[in-house]
Amino acid sequence: GENVEQHPSTLSVQEGDSAVIKCTYSDSASNYFPWYKQELGKRPQLIIDIRSNVGEKKDQRIAVTLNKTAKHFSLHITETQPEDSAVYFCAASKGSQGNLIFGKGTKLSVKP
Amino acid sequence: SQTIHQWPATLVQPVGSPLSLECTVEGTSNPNLYWYRQAAGRGLQLLFYSVGIGQISSEVPQNLSASRPQDRQFILSSKKLLLSDSGFYLCAWRGDYNYNEQFFGPGTRLTVL
Repeated sequence: GENVEQHPSTLSVQEGDSAVIKCTYSDSASNYFPWYKQELGKRPQLIIDIRSNVGEKKDQRIAVTLNKTAKHFSLHITETQPEDSAVYFCAASKGSQGNLIFGKGTKLSVKP
Repeated sequence: SQTIHQWPATLVQPVGSPLSLECTVEGTSNPNLYWYRQAAGRGLQLLFYSVGIGQISSEVPQNLSASRPQDRQFILSSKKLLLSDSGFYLCAWRGDYNYNEQFFGPGTRLTVL
């Protein structure tokens, strides 16, 4: 079955710097890759997603890139702010009914 | 718009007691529904999912069970709680028209003492 690896497990950056979180997946048939942000004590919130027919998607300060050949995708956050501090999860699924397989999460800390 | 509710928000239960957590979804029909558990500081573990009324798939064998008595209602149960059942329980839904987008409920924080 699908396996999603996420790195790093923790990431600390200075406010204003960029942050990059990387995920790899094992099933080449996977075609949907969402990213979730989970603040302490809260539910995971979908922040951006990408489907396999595109290589990059941007939404203001966040972007996701997908390399289907290498089977990896990344989350990029530019101009980080303290409120970006949270745990970020990547996930992958295939088909219209495939369950999401989550990475183990990355704890991002943005220091003012 | 769609909303998802979970209750209770927090729960403290003794070991060996029963459990019933409820999840309901509004504003959609025939959603796929999911139960996840998240231990403190850990990732998301898929426990059960359901593609329709009475249809339950279990991902991890354990002392928990799930039921879907109505289209937009998903219940997580246990007859006897263990200490290891403590965690943050999240319900999630996905609608057919949203393809794969999945949204989480507010969660129930369960502490077993």
